[in-house]
Formats: sequence, structure tokens, C-alpha cells
Amino acid sequence: ILNVEQSPQSLHVQEGDSTNFTCSFPSSNFYALHWYRWETAKSPEALFVMTLNGDEKKKGRISATLNTKEGYSYLYIKGSQPEDSATYLCAFYDYGGSQGNLIFGKGTKLSVKP
Amino acid sequence: DAGITQSPRYKITETGRQVTLMCHQTWSHSYMFWYRQDLGHGLRLIYYSAAADITDKGEVPDGYVVSRSKTENFPLTLESATRSQTSVYFCASSEWSTGNQPQHFGDGTRLSIL
Repeated sequence: ILNVEQSPQSLHVQEGDSTNFTCSFPSSNFYALHWYRWETAKSPEALFVMTLNGDEKKKGRISATLNTKEGYSYLYIKGSQPEDSATYLCAFYDYGGSQGNLIFGKGTKLSVKP
Repeated sequence: DAGITQSPRYKITETGRQVTLMCHQTWSHSYMFWYRQDLGHGLRLIYYSAAADITDKGEVPDGYVVSRSKTENFPLTLESATRSQTSVYFCASSEWSTGNQPQHFGDGTRLSIL
């Protein structure tokens, strides 16, 4: 079974801090890497879908990079705000793999203190 | 409003009972998915469907049955519920193959089996 690792598991920052976290995935048979934001008591919401090595995506203060050769992606949040508090999930899509679909990591839980 | 809706939001039942969780989407997305979310695990795929009348197993399909007679509906049935199936269940959809398309999630069904 393919494994997707996210680190750290949780993160506590002050409002205004910039932060980043990591998603590690198998570097073979790469097809796509997804990032989702999951607020407590809500449903996961897609942030980015990344497919090309070296891809960089940006949405407001949140950005992500992708390295498919070494099997990692970084998510960056610039100037964290309390509303950024959520669990950030990454998910790996294995091209042609037996599982056929997204493999999710366990997430990084971000808490931003005002 | 367009979207993906799950019902019920909360359900308590007893072991051995049959229970069906409903999922309805209004986007006419081809792909639909069922996940379960448990403490210490990432979202795990139970079943998915590429189109009406086409379904396939995910990572944890045992004890579950799905059907998809119409594009917009994808019910999940626990034929004889067990305590280990106590979980939060999420339905999701994507426009086509999930590799480079984000998934859109429902609000979840919290299922407790006594």
C-alpha cells in the first residue's frame, strides 16, 4: 500500500507568522498531488491540484511547490491569520496503480493564535 | 443550490442492522467516492464509481455495498453494521478522473454503531 506522509502532525503559530509544511509521497508513477484545507466541522475543500515537476501554485497567501523527482511538496502560508486554522491534507494520485485513486496523508493541523 | 449533499448528518444504530447513507450531487460529475475518516488514519477510500452502473473497490470495501443507478446518486449500504464501522463518512465527486481534477466533498455523516 502506498504511503503519503505529512509533517509536522500539528503546528501552533502566532498571527502574522509565516509557516510551511511538507507532504512526502512515492516518486515513482507520479500523476498528481492534491492539497485540501479542512476546517473543523466542515468538509475538505480543494486548494491545489499539481501535476508537473517544479509546479508552483498560489491562492492568496497560500502557495505550494512540487518536486516529483524526490517525492515531496511544500505548502506555505504567508502571514498566518486565525482563519487559516485548519487541517491541511495532501493526497497522491498514483498513475495506473492498483488502488486507482487518491491516497491521503493524515494531515497537518495548523492552529493560529491571535 | 448546486453541490453535494449527504444524509443523514448523524445516525445511531445497533450492530447487525442495515443502514444506508445517501449522497446526491447536482453537478453531473462522472466520478463519485465514499471515504471513511477515523482517528489516526487519513481519509480512506471505501468505494468509488466512474459512471452510472460502474463501481469499484477502494482500500477498505469489506462490509459495504454501493450502487449507482443514476449519475447523481451514490448510496453506501452497511449490510450488517459492526462497531468497527463507527466512523465519519464522506462522499465526494469529481468531474472526471480524479488525477487532475479536485474532489468536492459533502459535509459528512457521523455514524455510531452501538
